[in-house]
Amino acid sequence: SAVISQKPSRDICQRGTSLTIQCQVDSQVTMMFWYRQQPGQSLTLIATANQGSEATYESGFVIDKFPISRPNLTFSTLTVSNMSPEDSSIYLCSVQTGGGGEETQYFGPGTRLLVL
Amino acid sequence: GQQLNQSPQSMFIQEGEDVSMNCTSSSIFNTWLWYKQDPGEGPVLLIALYKAGELTSNGRLTAQFGITRKDSFLNISASIPSDVGIYFCAGYGANSKLTFGKGITLSVRP
Repeated sequence: SAVISQKPSRDICQRGTSLTIQCQVDSQVTMMFWYRQQPGQSLTLIATANQGSEATYESGFVIDKFPISRPNLTFSTLTVSNMSPEDSSIYLCSVQTGGGGEETQYFGPGTRLLVL
Repeated sequence: GQQLNQSPQSMFIQEGEDVSMNCTSSSIFNTWLWYKQDPGEGPVLLIALYKAGELTSNGRLTAQFGITRKDSFLNISASIPSDVGIYFCAGYGANSKLTFGKGITLSVRP
């Protein structure tokens, strides 16, 4: 398993500003991910945070809006840029462990963002 | 694309009752994961299934990986109030990405 922490746990931001969310894992992991969960909805993958290279973004998400850093194997940040009320969501960091057909993902506690 | 279907959206049961939740897909999945999400928290892994036909238990929870690889179920026995939450199924399919169902909100009446 993996223990994941996120900072901040919640924030209220003004539109047009940016927020950087931090994700820290208690062990070195190759695969880290960022998800968005809109109110009452399921989880949607934003991007895979690759250590030492640019993140891989899913359809509908772009680097200019959601820049991601992955400086080492235990840490990643997601920035939500130029925020609008539509960005109000829970942002979740996750890590993948295991391999060889026995992969598992563990999630952090999430960052609750409200944009006014 | 790959989709996981969970229904109904909400379930209401009496404390002490058993409940079963299904997750189905038209695509084959190689791994099935079941998560529970409490309000204000991230999803917590309950059970992981890696082989078709596999039946795995975790306390009062039991989950099975369907033989066709297109479905899985989660059973909760003797429900208690703290079982309240949203239950998500998730799976790794051909694209090697984790796909989530829409979740089932479980309410337990004391």
